[in-house]
Amino acid sequence: QVQLVQSGADAKKPGSSVKISCKASGGSFDSYTFSWVRQAPGQGLEWMGRLIPILGKSNYAQKFQGRLTITADEFTSTVYMQLSSLTSEDTAVYYCARSGANDAYNIWGQGTLVSVSS
Amino acid sequence: DIQMTQSPSSLSASVGDRVSISCQASQDISNYINWYQQKPGKVPELLIYDASNLQTGVPSRFSGSGSGTDFTLTISDLQPEDIATYYCQLYDNLPITFGQGTRLEIK
Repeated sequence: QVQLVQSGADAKKPGSSVKISCKASGGSFDSYTFSWVRQAPGQGLEWMGRLIPILGKSNYAQKFQGRLTITADEFTSTVYMQLSSLTSEDTAVYYCARSGANDAYNIWGQGTLVSVSS
Repeated sequence: DIQMTQSPSSLSASVGDRVSISCQASQDISNYINWYQQKPGKVPELLIYDASNLQTGVPSRFSGSGSGTDFTLTISDLQPEDIATYYCQLYDNLPITFGQGTRLEIK
């Protein structure tokens, strides 16, 4: 069974960075696209960016340009999301999600809560 | 960027009702829309992909329709377990965009 397992919750100070991992198991890694979606408390879903491992190509939402990096380690089938210059506005649950060619996220990680506070 | 307008923002209906949720795109997106269900405290789940295709394992009371700019998610015969927030997702171009969400409650 295909699963995405994310790293655990993290508490950060404003101005710092966070790096979340998302390990894929039970399926081919290269054949899919991996995206990151976040959800602030009580708010909706927000797309952050994606990585297509087989192309080595990433795309980021304009809002996160310059402080978001999505990478992958194909040997361990793990995708990483690093967000820098954190503020309290970045407090959210961060999800990784897998899709095929149609960006339909049929597999989601369990979510990682990142809390940013001084 | 293409704008998505999802409505209503909240909805209350009775068990057995037929419920519709709308998403409208600011320009033609063909059928490049997906629908998700997020139950309280849970991870979102894919319901419908490419506007009208039912994801494997999703009950047949869920259906999607539309093309171009206007899309609808319909739940026929509403069940208590359908209490959730529903999101549309546009993927025609980057950035990928989610609708604002529709919170569905049971009367």
